[in-house]
Amino acid sequence: ETGVTQTPRHLVMGMTNKKSLKCEQHLGHNAMYWYKQSAKKPLELMFVYSLEERVENNSVPSRFSPECPNSSHLFLHLHTLQPEDSALYLCASSQGSSGGNTGELFFGEGSRLTVL
Amino acid sequence: GQSLEQPSEVTAVEGAIVQINCTYQTSGFYGLSWYQQHDGGAPTFLSYNALDGLEETGRFSSFLSRSDSYGYLLLQELQMKDSASYFCAVSTPDSNYQLIWGAGTKLIIKP
Repeated sequence: ETGVTQTPRHLVMGMTNKKSLKCEQHLGHNAMYWYKQSAKKPLELMFVYSLEERVENNSVPSRFSPECPNSSHLFLHLHTLQPEDSALYLCASSQGSSGGNTGELFFGEGSRLTVL
Repeated sequence: GQSLEQPSEVTAVEGAIVQINCTYQTSGFYGLSWYQQHDGGAPTFLSYNALDGLEETGRFSSFLSRSDSYGYLLLQELQMKDSASYFCAVSTPDSNYQLIWGAGTKLIIKP
């Protein structure tokens, strides 16, 4: 099993749909992250969870709703998205909530989201 | 604001050496990281520098100069599989030690 698994890999949804992205890590880490990756732009940190508590929320619109039921699972619930939300959504994990301690995050391969 | 600058694209020849530069403007500094991402793949961690100097890991080396707010990733003996995007990222106390990312450098390797 890979360290961080994301499903689905691809998702197409209309602006009125509700969908969820799922992330699971098998590394025993205690922190998990959601990032948004758009072409030719820096990765944007969306949310950070440490020990299942949200510790970072970078002014993300409320149409994105994270959920962390335990230290191994992370969800991103999507509702009433806009076309500009189309992007690659990456999940990551680390030991310690500030991956910056060693700079090392472990990423999944991402969920490619297209909003029509 | 806080920002990182790196070239958008670099082209090199198989077997050669290439250097990817990264300059940063941040409030404070804790460490500089480098990541590799192949098309359709996950970003993977390459290196981390918190102190000035060169860190070597096999064919890849990473350098940091905190006084110049500058670092680089050096790739030697380039192989076709090194074709990927490379991202630098900085952590700072002001960012709660979360990584601030550059926009990435696409490395194109020609035979």
